[in-house]
Amino acid sequence: GQNIDQPTEMTATEGAIVQINCTYQTSGFNGLFWYQQHAGEAPTFLSYNVLDGLEEKGRFSSFLSRSKGYSYLLLKELQMKDSASYLCAVYSGNTPLVFGKGTRLSVIA
Amino acid sequence: DAGVTQSPTHLIKTRGQHVTLRCSPISGHKSVSWYQQVLGQGPQFIFQYYEKEERGRGNFPDRFSARQFPNYSSELNVNALLLGDSALYLCASSLVGTNEQFFGPGTRLTVL
Repeated sequence: GQNIDQPTEMTATEGAIVQINCTYQTSGFNGLFWYQQHAGEAPTFLSYNVLDGLEEKGRFSSFLSRSKGYSYLLLKELQMKDSASYLCAVYSGNTPLVFGKGTRLSVIA
Repeated sequence: DAGVTQSPTHLIKTRGQHVTLRCSPISGHKSVSWYQQVLGQGPQFIFQYYEKEERGRGNFPDRFSARQFPNYSSELNVNALLLGDSALYLCASSLVGTNEQFFGPGTRLTVL
């Protein structure tokens, strides 16, 4: 089966750092995506990991450990506009993307 | 360049009716996928099409069907609508052989 777990909700303070974890169990693995989704809008691409290690892109970084079935998204210097849902998705090769339920992040002043 | 476009933006239907949702992919993208996103959940895969053929199907009943046209645009059809079909329907396009999906703005379907 396919299973992707991530926390339902997180709260963090403006200017702080937050780490959103994702664990996965899928029948295959060809890469892991992180998407940001503001309420009522479509998901937008943040990062893609296919090899182990850290990928950094500005204030956002994503880490992957394939042996542990684990990834995290790191957001630095949080801004109010970062309040959104963050979706972890695995490309297993059998279906385009298998998504987790998403983590709703609230950034507070 | 235009992104993925979907129509209509919002739709209200009653139980038992049918609905057709439309999607135009990014120019040059030949693969189109459809997802259903129920409030508070992540998107769930419904169909993938490329070169006008169905290449993948998620765990959805036969009431759901789709097709892709020669210009690579796509339609998703849902028959005999149920209340539980109320959701955001997302279309995503990608280049064949790549993994990154580019999502359209979605169609918000409400079934009363």
